[in-house]
Amino acid sequence: KAGVTQTPRYLIKTRGQQVTLSCSPISGHRSVSWYQQTPGQGLQFLFEYFSETQRNKGNFPGRFSGRQFSNSRSEMNVSTLELGDSALYLCASRTTDRVGYGYTFGSGTRLTVV
Amino acid sequence: AQTVTQSQPEMSVQEAETVTLSCTYDTSESDYYLFWYKQPPSRQMILVIRQEAYKQQNATENRFSVNFQKAAKSFSLKISDSQLGDAAMYFCAYRSAAGNQFYFGTGTSLTVIP
Repeated sequence: KAGVTQTPRYLIKTRGQQVTLSCSPISGHRSVSWYQQTPGQGLQFLFEYFSETQRNKGNFPGRFSGRQFSNSRSEMNVSTLELGDSALYLCASRTTDRVGYGYTFGSGTRLTVV
Repeated sequence: AQTVTQSQPEMSVQEAETVTLSCTYDTSESDYYLFWYKQPPSRQMILVIRQEAYKQQNATENRFSVNFQKAAKSFSLKISDSQLGDAAMYFCAYRSAAGNQFYFGTGTSLTVIP
């Protein structure tokens, strides 16, 4: 069974540009979450999608957005990139709506803003 | 908001020995879940063990076990018979039974000495 797939693995962008990151969950998983990981702030919740609906959003500016498609694949977009957006972006999926079950994470996309 | 604290930024253990990683959390909720995740250099977050707050019995997964003290809001991870492959960053995480996001600690970097 394939795991959570995130593409691309690495990305270098220039300040002011926008970027789109992709996440393909495990087959059958309908819930997808995104997290930002930085050395200074640690792991911070971005948003969660379930059946194409955003259920919750973390404390990030409106430049961060996301969506989920009918096949459960998800994308997140960051517009007007800033140097501080450099981070590892992790996607995670799970099959059940029961919150007690742990998510399966992908290996992340390492975004560097120069 | 809930907070999760890992007071040991770095730990080391001799191969085959036992090590305990500490985690405390702050919450006013009574129904929640606690997790330990491992993040090796591959960057993928791997679920190590999970504990339901309503269960008094401590969770165990092979060489990994927890000491869950609900009143003290403490959730430590014990790794027995440490192996070289256990070397990684370990994150403690909290998730409300009614919530949509994980709250992560800052992590403990574990080194296993041959």
